[in-house]
Amino acid sequence: QLQLEGSGPGLVKPSETLSLTCTVSGGSVSRSNYYWGWIRQPPGKGLEWIGTIFYGGSAHYNPSLKSRVTISLDMSKTQFSLRLRSVTAADTAVYYCARHLPIDYGDYIDSWGQGTLVTVSS
Amino acid sequence: QSVLTQPPSVSGAPGQRVAISCTGSSSDIGAGYDVHWYQQLPGTAPKLLIYGNSNRPSGVPDRFSGSKSGASASLAITGLQAEDEADYYCQSYDNNLSGPLFGGGTKLTVL
Repeated sequence: QLQLEGSGPGLVKPSETLSLTCTVSGGSVSRSNYYWGWIRQPPGKGLEWIGTIFYGGSAHYNPSLKSRVTISLDMSKTQFSLRLRSVTAADTAVYYCARHLPIDYGDYIDSWGQGTLVTVSS
Repeated sequence: QSVLTQPPSVSGAPGQRVAISCTGSSSDIGAGYDVHWYQQLPGTAPKLLIYGNSNRPSGVPDRFSGSKSGASASLAITGLQAEDEADYYCQSYDNNLSGPLFGGGTKLTVL
């Protein structure tokens, strides 16, 4: 049974960098028919795709966040990570890590982490 | 288009049928991409409900069904139950994002 568990600080100061890690158990991050990504949900609002990384290490990002985002994959630790630079209050959200099928397989998210609330505040 | 268009809320009495619409454009649903649906119970992560327009993952009751036509899709829930009260999101692939695009979400209230 695949499980994803996100972890990281729940409070980040404005202009600093948000860093989250997702640990994958019950599956491998190196399988070519799955991608790994991050989605966020501001309080009381809808879902927004942040970005996705492929097993070969190539990442793709939402254009609206691309200049501030880096997603990386550590296959030896079965983890992938999110870094979002220069955060503002608008980045306050629950951040979900997720397993994502590529477009050739339907482009849907079949497994989600529990979510990590990150608040940006001084 | 920044989000797929969903009604903010729908409601129905127990046992009734409700439908939630999801409208896209020529860069997403209208481009031929599949539509998927997620259920988000209060305080929890979203859960895959329907994939590939009309397919249910194992464990999802057949009271839930999905359909797609042109640039729109619909989620139908029959035999409404109290535990169906949740937020529902549609999702498709978007050529402008080169990634997944979500609907704004629909809150289902069971009266």
